[in-house]
Amino acid sequence: GAVVSQHPSWVICKSGTSVKIECRSLDFQATTMFWYRQFPKQSLMLMATSNEGSKATYEQGVEKDKFLINHASLTLSTLTVTSAHPEDSSFYICSASTSGGANEQFFGPGTRLTVL
Amino acid sequence: AQKITQTQPGMFVQEKEAVTLDCTYDTSDPSYGLFWYKQPSSGEMIFLIYQGSYDQQNATEGRYSLNFQKARKSANLVISASQLGDSAMYFCAIAGGTSYGKLTFGQGTILTVHP
Repeated sequence: GAVVSQHPSWVICKSGTSVKIECRSLDFQATTMFWYRQFPKQSLMLMATSNEGSKATYEQGVEKDKFLINHASLTLSTLTVTSAHPEDSSFYICSASTSGGANEQFFGPGTRLTVL
Repeated sequence: AQKITQTQPGMFVQEKEAVTLDCTYDTSDPSYGLFWYKQPSSGEMIFLIYQGSYDQQNATEGRYSLNFQKARKSANLVISASQLGDSAMYFCAIAGGTSYGKLTFGQGTILTVHP
């Protein structure tokens, strides 16, 4: 149980295009989903927290107009990188929580984004 | 605000030996949780072990144990009987009561297990 999937697992796009990444909780309902970003050989940095049916809460320094997050249902959250640029190339990981608590947080396998 | 410090960028250990990965933390929350995750080269985050700040005993999960020293604000991970498959990046993380659910990660330690 407690499986989280991400789609796509990797994506290559041209600069200026938008890319949507999906995060799904497959066998549980996630009241809260978290989006992280990880550069090579670095730590995970929390980008935003999303709760089903409400607007996402972004961490300081994260552009909410560039990284659009939608948590439309209890099993799906999407991250859209708008007008992507090469500096947006990174590993994006989502996690889902049944209660919002960190000790009940399950991670997706991640999505590797490369912007040319 | 919370902070995790992992001072060992890389560690090497011989197969079947034990290894300790260091982690110190700082938080103003009276209640918090400490976590260790393993990230192999595939990128997935694998949960290893959890320690609550009010837990009296050190957490253990199979070959993993967490050496929790609250006064020193340290939460070191001990891996016993290392295996080749343990080679990966290891992250220590903290989640505090006032930032419920938000994990703050350390810089990570790359562990290499030699045969």
